[in-house]
Amino acid sequence: GENVEQHPSTLSVQEGDSAVIKCTYSDSASNYFPWYKQELGKRPQLIIDIRSNVGEKKDQRIAVTLNKTAKHFSLHITETQPEDSAVYFCAASPDSWGKLQFGAGTQVVVTP
Amino acid sequence: DAGITQSPRYKITETGRQVTLMCHQTWSHSYMFWYRQDLGHGLRLIYYSAAADITDKGEVPDGYVVSRSKTENFPLTLESATRSQTSVYFCASSGGQGAHEQYFGPGTRLTVT
Repeated sequence: GENVEQHPSTLSVQEGDSAVIKCTYSDSASNYFPWYKQELGKRPQLIIDIRSNVGEKKDQRIAVTLNKTAKHFSLHITETQPEDSAVYFCAASPDSWGKLQFGAGTQVVVTP
Repeated sequence: DAGITQSPRYKITETGRQVTLMCHQTWSHSYMFWYRQDLGHGLRLIYYSAAADITDKGEVPDGYVVSRSKTENFPLTLESATRSQTSVYFCASSGGQGAHEQYFGPGTRLTVT
């Protein structure tokens, strides 16, 4: 089955700096890669996603890149703000049912 | 997000008891999923469903049973709860065929004593 690895497990950045989280996946059939943000005690919230026919996608301060050949994808957050502090999860979907295999998560802390 | 709800939000039960966690969505989404979230393991898929009466096992199905007689409901039952099933349980739903956005419910925090 699909295996998703996510790095780093924790990331501390100064407000205004950029944050990058990287994920690798194992199943070349995976074709959908969402990113979720989870604040403490809350549900995971979809923040951006990318499909295998696209190399990059942006939404304001966040962007995701996908390298199918290397089987890795990354989340980029620019101009970080304290409200970006949360746990971020990447995921990959290898089949038509839309099942998601999640990475272990990255705790992002943005310090003022 | 108000379209997908879970109940109860918190539950304490004893080892060996049967527990049912409820999930209800108002979007008429075809696909529904149950995940458990534990520290160090992220989110792991327990069961999923493509439509009423169509379900299949995920990564960690042992000790759990699901049913889906109606599109909008997807209950998860722990047949005989164990301490290792202490976790936060999230239900999610997705609207389209294939890989589509999944929207999560608020979660149920279950403690097995």
